[in-house]
Amino acid sequence: TQLLEQSPQFLSIQEGENLTVYCNSSSVFSSLQWYRQEPGEGPVLLVTVVTGGEVKKLKRLTFQFGDARKDSSLHITAAQPGDTGLYLCAGPPGNQFYFGTGTSLTVIP
Amino acid sequence: DAGITQSPRHKVTETGTPVTLRCHQTENHRYMYWYRQDPGHGLRLIHYSYGVKDTDKGEVSDGYSVSRSKTEDFLLTLESATSSQTSVYFCAIGSGQGWDEQYFGPGTRLTVT
Repeated sequence: TQLLEQSPQFLSIQEGENLTVYCNSSSVFSSLQWYRQEPGEGPVLLVTVVTGGEVKKLKRLTFQFGDARKDSSLHITAAQPGDTGLYLCAGPPGNQFYFGTGTSLTVIP
Repeated sequence: DAGITQSPRHKVTETGTPVTLRCHQTENHRYMYWYRQDPGHGLRLIHYSYGVKDTDKGEVSDGYSVSRSKTEDFLLTLESATSSQTSVYFCAIGSGQGWDEQYFGPGTRLTVT
């Protein structure tokens, strides 16, 4: 059982479509981070959300932290092939750090 | 990109042999972490360090030990490698309050035969 559950696990969409990735837990997190990982490389940090209800935008990516700080979402508007990759949520429920299992996104030109 | 290197980048070893992976940083960051990444499990924390000679266990620390004698180097040792330790190992660094933003190295692919 994963502390952070991500859905969907796989997503294949056409260029220009919108999508949302979800990250859920039964535990409360002091913060949540989102990373993107490309094949053969380490994850790269996209954003950190700290406050319950917080919304952060990074160009076409919108990140939201749930009010209860147990869940987060990533919304991509008008997806592009360059968005292809593995998206990971991660965070500390206390004195440890956990990653979600990831959402593998493929954007087809 | 953060200055993090890992060595070796690829290694094949036999069951029962000792293996040491090295993580080197040029950023003078206080925190360093070792993770393993496996299909179906994602990234899992093995050990982390919050300063020279200060280390603690992560979620999957059994079978692994670490050492940090200098700020820039964090070593991960498998005392007696097993096939279940076949994985991709990532080192990460962070400068903030513990679990702040982490910057990852390129990874080491370890195969235990």
